Amino acid sequence: GAVVSQHPSRVICKSGTSVKIECRSLDFQATTMFWYRQFPKQSLMLMATSNEGSKATYEQGVEKDKFLINHASLTLSTLTVTSAHPEDSSFYICSAQDRGRNYGYTFGSGTRLTVV
Amino acid sequence: AQSVTQLDSHVSVSEGTPVLLRCNYSSSYSPSLFWYVQHPNKGLQLLLKYTSAATLVKGINGFEAEFKKSETSFHLTKPSAHMSDAAEYFCVVRPFNTDKLIFGTGTRLQVFP
Repeated sequence: GAVVSQHPSRVICKSGTSVKIECRSLDFQATTMFWYRQFPKQSLMLMATSNEGSKATYEQGVEKDKFLINHASLTLSTLTVTSAHPEDSSFYICSAQDRGRNYGYTFGSGTRLTVV
Repeated sequence: AQSVTQLDSHVSVSEGTPVLLRCNYSSSYSPSLFWYVQHPNKGLQLLLKYTSAATLVKGINGFEAEFKKSETSFHLTKPSAHMSDAAEYFCVVRPFNTDKLIFGTGTRLQVFP
């Protein structure tokens, strides 16, 4: 079946630094990728939607200059948390939409970001 | 506005007993509905989805859900719980004419021996 690889699974960084999270579709072309944020014991909140080759569409309240999203190819999207602060600590999950499987959604395994 | 409500934040059952996780949705048109499961610190796995075909949807691991338009519900059931079913379950709606998913707040299922 469709697989989405998300890397790294865990990352600890210092305040003020930037962190890049990668999301790859391994066996299908993902025309659209979604990035979510999940706080402890809470639901997933959509941060942004990215389409290959175009700018990401951010949800209301999400700072596009802080959360940079790049979707340069049909198999790779990246989320960069710039100038990270402790309040950015969270679980980030990507999802890729598979045109070949009737636009099904496949989720990555998530990235636990801790900013110290 | 489209939304989905999971009526129970926690459900506890004994192993071998039935599971019922409740979900109600709000949507102007026929939505697509999903149930996902998330184990701790993991991504989400699709259990089943409803896309306007049969109203009783069978999923993986013995789970099934019934779409009831009159009740705007999409409850998830399983006849006999297994210890490995302990996880967080999300009811999700994809409104008509959009690719965005709207997640419920989740139900944590505990299974006791």
